[in-house]
Amino acid sequence: GNSVTQMEGPVTLSEEAFLTINCTYTATGYPSLFWYVQYPGEGLQLLLKATKADDKGSNKGFEATYRKETTSFHLEKGSVQVSDSAVYFCAHAGGTSYGKLTFGQGTILTVHP
Amino acid sequence: NAGVTQTPKFRILKIGQSMTLQCTQDMNHNYMYWYRQDPGMGLKLIYYSVGAGITDKGEVPNGYNVSRSTTEDFPLRLELAAPSQTSVYFCASNPGGSGSPLHFGNGTRLTVT
Repeated sequence: GNSVTQMEGPVTLSEEAFLTINCTYTATGYPSLFWYVQYPGEGLQLLLKATKADDKGSNKGFEATYRKETTSFHLEKGSVQVSDSAVYFCAHAGGTSYGKLTFGQGTILTVHP
Repeated sequence: NAGVTQTPKFRILKIGQSMTLQCTQDMNHNYMYWYRQDPGMGLKLIYYSVGAGITDKGEVPNGYNVSRSTTEDFPLRLELAAPSQTSVYFCASNPGGSGSPLHFGNGTRLTVT
């Protein structure tokens, strides 16, 4: 079946540290892949996406590359800021249309000054 | 630009009570969704709709009902509240297509005691 597995959290980093949050998925076909971010008290916002193999999504210094061979979509940022503290969710569209996304469990990121 | 609006923000229910969570969007999106978010569990799809008059079950539909009489509105009904329905509920919409990201509301935090 469809599933998304994210790196266990929480993750705590100092400002300017390098960030990686691992994400792997199982799905039929070649689904679009997404990273969403949730700030405290808010809904989820799209951070970046990739719609086909080898695509790289990027936004606000975050990047993730669609790796079909390893069924992965790891999130990276070279230098995190305190304002990046949030919960990050990996998701895929399951190879179907519409927005029936399958989400990972979320990874809490806390960045200290 | 309102996007997706959910009401109420918070609600406490007693076991067996009923309530309706409201969701409206002003982006003329055909597709709308209800997710629930439980701690450490990611988001699970409850119901979705591909257009006015059409609804379908998601992954965890038991204990809920929906209707879609207009493009804008997609209310979620809890008939007999149970403690297991304590969660944060998110409504989302998108225009459709597997690469089309979801637009989320800010959520309704529901506690059933």
